Formats: sequence, structure tokens, C-alpha cells
Amino acid sequence: DVKVTQSSRYLVKRTGEKVFLECVQDMDHENMFWYRQDPGLGLRLIYFSYDVKMKEKGDIPEGYSVSREKKERFSLILESASTNQTSMYLCASEFQGASNEKLFFGSGTQLSVL
Amino acid sequence: AQSVSQHNHHVILSEAASLELGCNYSYGGTVNLFWYVQYPGQHLQLLLKYFSGDPLVKGIKGFEAEFIKSKFSFNLRKPSVQWSDTAEYFCAVMHNTDKLIFGTGTRLQVFP
Repeated sequence: DVKVTQSSRYLVKRTGEKVFLECVQDMDHENMFWYRQDPGLGLRLIYFSYDVKMKEKGDIPEGYSVSREKKERFSLILESASTNQTSMYLCASEFQGASNEKLFFGSGTQLSVL
Repeated sequence: AQSVSQHNHHVILSEAASLELGCNYSYGGTVNLFWYVQYPGQHLQLLLKYFSGDPLVKGIKGFEAEFIKSKFSFNLRKPSVQWSDTAEYFCAVMHNTDKLIFGTGTRLQVFP
């Protein structure tokens, strides 16, 4: 079974802190995605990557950056966390060319920024 | 811009009731359509998908969805829900890019 692992299930940070959310997948997938999930807003795409050292902005990239130094790992970075970034963050991966036929999601990281 | 609308935000049903969750999208060209489900405390899972062919798609756990191109809709149905169907359901659309656009989700609560 494909496994997408997010390093933390719950995270509490203070305003202004730098936050790293880690995501690792074990199926050699090329494509990886970061979403945030908010009540009433569904899932919104923050950033995605189709290859190592490659990144593309999604629909709401402001306040975030990403890093893809290795194929299996895709990190989401909040340079200076703010309270409006309190959310559930979901990582996902798939094979390139799969056209989202099967997107595999991690269990999510619930981030609270105080 | 392409968008996905799920008009039912919260649905409450008794067991054995029939379910239909609405999903409408804004793009008129060729699209790929998906329903994802998120059970309490679990990760998002693919329920079913439509790429081409028969517009009536069967998914896991007795769910089905019908693609009606003229109505830009992809409604999710189940003839008889169970308590274990309590979850949040997301419709998603993909067109021309590798990005999925998700709807806002529908929370389904099924009472025994």
C-alpha cells in the first residue's frame, strides 16, 4: 500500500515562528501536493511539485514556500506563521501522468498558530 | 476560473435513507470528475472517478455518481446509507492541468 506520511498530527506554534511541515511518500511518486483544508472552504492547493527541486504555486501560495530536495520528501514552510494559517494541512502524491487518477493523501497536520 | 460547487454543506439522515449529494462545476469542456471521502480521523480516500465512457460510475461501498454533461453535474448517490457512511464528502474536478479543484465539502451524519 502507498504510504504518505506527515511527520506531525498536531502542531502548536506562536505567531512569527518559522514552521516546517514534512511529508514523505514511499512509492517513488513524482508529483506531490500541499493543500490546506478549512471548514466551509474545502481543500485549497498551496503548492505542488512534479520533480525534485521543482515547485509550482497553487491557488493560495502567499505566506508559504516549499522545498523538494529529494523525490520522496516535500516540505511546506511557513516563514513567519500567522493566526490565519491555523488550518489542517494535507499532503498528497501520485505518479506523474496519472492525471490525478489516484491521489494518495496523508493523514494531515492540524496546525494551530497562537 | 474553474470552480466546483457543493450546495449541501451538512446533511443529516437516518440509516436506510437514500442519499444524493450535489456537485456542479463551472467548466464546459472535457473534465475528469472525482468524489473523495474523509471518515472521521482518517485521510482522504478516493470514492469513485469519471474519466470517460458510461456516465454512471460505480464506486466503493455501494456509492455511485452520474455525470450529466448538460447540467455540469456529478451527483453522488447511495440508495441506503449506513451509520458508517458518516464522513465528509468532497467533489473534485480536473481539466487540462494536473491540479484538482475541490468543492467545499459536504458533511454527512447518519443516525442509527
